[in-house]
Amino acid sequence: QKEVEQDPGPLSVPEGAIVSLNCTYSNSAFQYFMWYRQYSRKGPELLMYTYSSGNKEDGRFTAQVDKSSKYISLFIRDSQPSDSATYLCAMSEGNQFYFGTGTSLTVIP
Amino acid sequence: KAGVTQTPRYLIKTRGQQVTLSCSPISGHRSVSWYQQTPGQGLQFLFEYFSETQRNKGNFPGRFSGRQFSNSRSEMNVSTLELGDSALYLCASSGQGAANSPLHFGNGTRLTVT
Repeated sequence: QKEVEQDPGPLSVPEGAIVSLNCTYSNSAFQYFMWYRQYSRKGPELLMYTYSSGNKEDGRFTAQVDKSSKYISLFIRDSQPSDSATYLCAMSEGNQFYFGTGTSLTVIP
Repeated sequence: KAGVTQTPRYLIKTRGQQVTLSCSPISGHRSVSWYQQTPGQGLQFLFEYFSETQRNKGNFPGRFSGRQFSNSRSEMNVSTLELGDSALYLCASSGQGAANSPLHFGNGTRLTVT
């Protein structure tokens, strides 16, 4: 079993939709949780960085962490074509990072 | 503040050759990590350097090596290239390592081995 599981998609939604991206994990020692966005031919870009359970909001993006269920989510409100990318979840324990395989998202105008 | 810079952006090499990739971290960042990204395997951790010392290493053969200089810049070397080494190689820097600082990635070096 992988440390981090992420549905690879692909996910296709119409412009303006609410997008929900999810990851599950098995290691209860994970302390920090991140979401990255990666455009084609680019490196991953840090979107959200959270520590505790609960919600963290930044503009149209909300990161949710449920440590009791070992489940994290990223919500994108009012999705735009420019949100079309691959989204990677990541978690850390000490100074080691663990990544999901990424979910490919396409927002259709 | 300038981001993580990786050079070159693209490389084409032949099997059996060796290659060196370069990474300049964000100013002030002391930790540099290297990852291999392929469509089938996702992000695979190669190694991490902190203050010129390799702190962590992934499960890659000895053909993959790296180093970090006193100015935190890092290089990664792959010797005796194989076709399977074709991938996007990503460098990431962080301030102190995972406990207090997330990874910030460069745009990678796309290596093609023919």
